[in-house]
Amino acid sequence: KNEVEQSPQNLTAQEGEFITINCSYSVGISALHWLQQHPGGGIVSLFMLSSGKKKHGRLIATINIQEKHSSLHITASHPRDSAVYICAVGYGGSQGNLIFGKGTKLSVKP
Amino acid sequence: DVKVTQSSRYLVKRTGEKVFLECVQDMDHENMFWYRQDPGLGLRLIYFSYDVKMKEKGDIPEGYSVSREKKERFSLILESASTNQTSMYLCASSLGAVSNQPQHFGDGTRLSIL
Repeated sequence: KNEVEQSPQNLTAQEGEFITINCSYSVGISALHWLQQHPGGGIVSLFMLSSGKKKHGRLIATINIQEKHSSLHITASHPRDSAVYICAVGYGGSQGNLIFGKGTKLSVKP
Repeated sequence: DVKVTQSSRYLVKRTGEKVFLECVQDMDHENMFWYRQDPGLGLRLIYFSYDVKMKEKGDIPEGYSVSREKKERFSLILESASTNQTSMYLCASSLGAVSNQPQHFGDGTRLSIL
């Protein structure tokens, strides 16, 4: 069974800091998703990647397939980045089931 | 942009009631999902559907059923609500298999069973 581990569980940063959130998984996957959940509940899909690196604005996601590890980086963090960041993996042949990490709660102080 | 709409943001029901949670998506997506989210446990899949009238059990289907009569609408039913079903419920949709397609989520329904 694929397990998804995120670290850290909680993270407090000062505005402007560079932030890294890590995600590790235990078996081969076809895609890894990074999601963002703001207070109030709605979830937004940030990235889906199966190799290499993707960038969107101040957010960068990388994945190392050999090491079964992904990182989400936030450059020049801002209080509006405060949210829970969730890693999830899908594997070949999986029509419906993503395996979710428990999330990293990020708080960025002004 | 894909829009996934859940019928209620907050809902309070009583033990034993039959509860319906509705979800509608506007992008002709094949797949739709119902999750519940509890502190410390993360997101857990209750049911998903990959086509009209088709459904598959997720990790925690007990006490729930679903209905997908039309492609755009996926309903979650609590047959006889119990207090341990108090939770945040999230609906999602995707164009195809989640192994290679992003999911789009609704805003969630925070359900309290008294």
